[in-house]
Amino acid sequence: DGGITQSPKYLFRKEGQNVTLSCEQNLNHDAMYWYRQDPGQGLRLIYYSQIVNDFQKGDIAEGYSVSREKKESFPLTVTSAQKNPTAFYLCASSIDLKRLMNTEAFFGQGTRLTVV
Amino acid sequence: AQSVTQLDSQVPVFEEAPVELRCNYSSSVSVYLFWYVQYPNQGLQLLLKYLSGSTLVKGINGFEAEFNKSQTSFHLRKPSVHISDTAEYFCAVRTLTTSGTYKYIFGTGTRLKVLA
Repeated sequence: DGGITQSPKYLFRKEGQNVTLSCEQNLNHDAMYWYRQDPGQGLRLIYYSQIVNDFQKGDIAEGYSVSREKKESFPLTVTSAQKNPTAFYLCASSIDLKRLMNTEAFFGQGTRLTVV
Repeated sequence: AQSVTQLDSQVPVFEEAPVELRCNYSSSVSVYLFWYVQYPNQGLQLLLKYLSGSTLVKGINGFEAEFNKSQTSFHLRKPSVHISDTAEYFCAVRTLTTSGTYKYIFGTGTRLKVLA
C-alpha cells in the first residue's frame, strides 16, 4: 500500500539534544511538508520542499533543519536551539502542484516528541 | 497572505442531531479548499475538497460543505452525527508562495464532541 510513514511514533529527548524525525513516502509525490501541531493552534508549517535538494522555510522554521536528498525522504531535525520542542509533528506530501492544480496533501500518522 | 479562520474551537452536539462547523478564508483569485478530520494521536484524513464547479461538495462519512464566494466561507455540515464522528476537524486552503510553489494553510481546528 502506498502511503507516508513517520517514525518513531513516540520520541523522548533530553534538553540540549538534537533529534531527527523520519518521514518516508512511496506515493511518488514531489512535494513534502513538515507541520507542528500544538493544542489550540492548529497546524503550523515548519519547512516544505518541492523537489530534491531544495526546500523553503515555513512560518516557524527557527530551531529546525531539514534535508531532501531523495524524493522519498524528508527528515526533520529538531535542534537544541528550539526552545519549546514538545509537540506533535506531522509530515505530509502532495503531487507536483505545478503540473496538477487540484491535489490535496496526504498525511503520515505523526510523531509525538516530548522533552524530558 | 492567505488565512483560514475556524470560529468555533469546540462544538458539542447530541447524537443524530445536525451539525455545522464554520470556516472562513481570506479572499483570493483562485481558491482551493479542504476539510480534514483527525482522530486522537493520528494524522489527518481528507474529508472533502473544493476545486471548482459545483459549490456543494460531498465527502466521506456523510459530510458535505458549501463554498460561498461572496461570504468567503466553506462550512462543513452533516445532517445526523454519530458518536464515531467525535474528532477534530481542520479547514485548509492551498496558497501560492512568493517562490512560486504551493503550500497548505490550516485553521486552528474545531473539536466536535458527539454526546449520547
